[in-house]
Amino acid sequence: DSGVTQTPKHLITATGQRVTLRCSPRSGDLSVYWYQQSLDQGLQFLIQYYNGEERAKGNILERFSAQQFPDLHSELNLSSLELGDSALYFCASSVEHRTGELFFGEGSRLTVL
Amino acid sequence: GQQLNQSPQSMFIQEGEDVSMNCTSSSIFNTWLWYKQDPGEGPVLLIALYKAGELTSNGRLTAQFGITRKDSFLNISASIPSDVGIYFCAGQNGGGADGLTFGKGTHLIIQP
Repeated sequence: DSGVTQTPKHLITATGQRVTLRCSPRSGDLSVYWYQQSLDQGLQFLIQYYNGEERAKGNILERFSAQQFPDLHSELNLSSLELGDSALYFCASSVEHRTGELFFGEGSRLTVL
Repeated sequence: GQQLNQSPQSMFIQEGEDVSMNCTSSSIFNTWLWYKQDPGEGPVLLIALYKAGELTSNGRLTAQFGITRKDSFLNISASIPSDVGIYFCAGQNGGGADGLTFGKGTHLIIQP
């Protein structure tokens, strides 16, 4: 158990819809990262927050947005969903904001039909 | 963007054998990391490397940070059934401003 909690574990929705994925980082970790894992693209970095502020942006689509709240939990919002958005979405956390030593959650599997 | 070429894509080995996998990049990384992912789980950090030429062990696992900063390898000695899974290399640039760049993974399958 990494200490990172993600909900929901599975989500099935239709094209055009909007979903919100939630992440609670390990106790004491200030940094939260979102990654997308798909069969063809592998693990892709989406976005990082540190203590409530956006720190780094990766290959995140404009239809996607994220935020980190004062209690340090984070949400990833995916809108106008397309079939190609079906993937595993991982949240990870770390104490520092410049480290590669991440603790990953179990992921949220999104299926868009 | 940066890409990591990880090989082999998959390995079928016998229990007790040693395993070797590697990762190469066209650009330099300041940090190399190796993660393992089991089915239904998120990746778990195995080893982190911070200096070119560094050789680091974690139990039966040994990883090296290539001297050119463009490659890294991971060795597993005397493989056991619980070593089954997908191993990912990851690179990070100085400051961590760009997140981690992951390889596509090496799928390790152990035949009893």
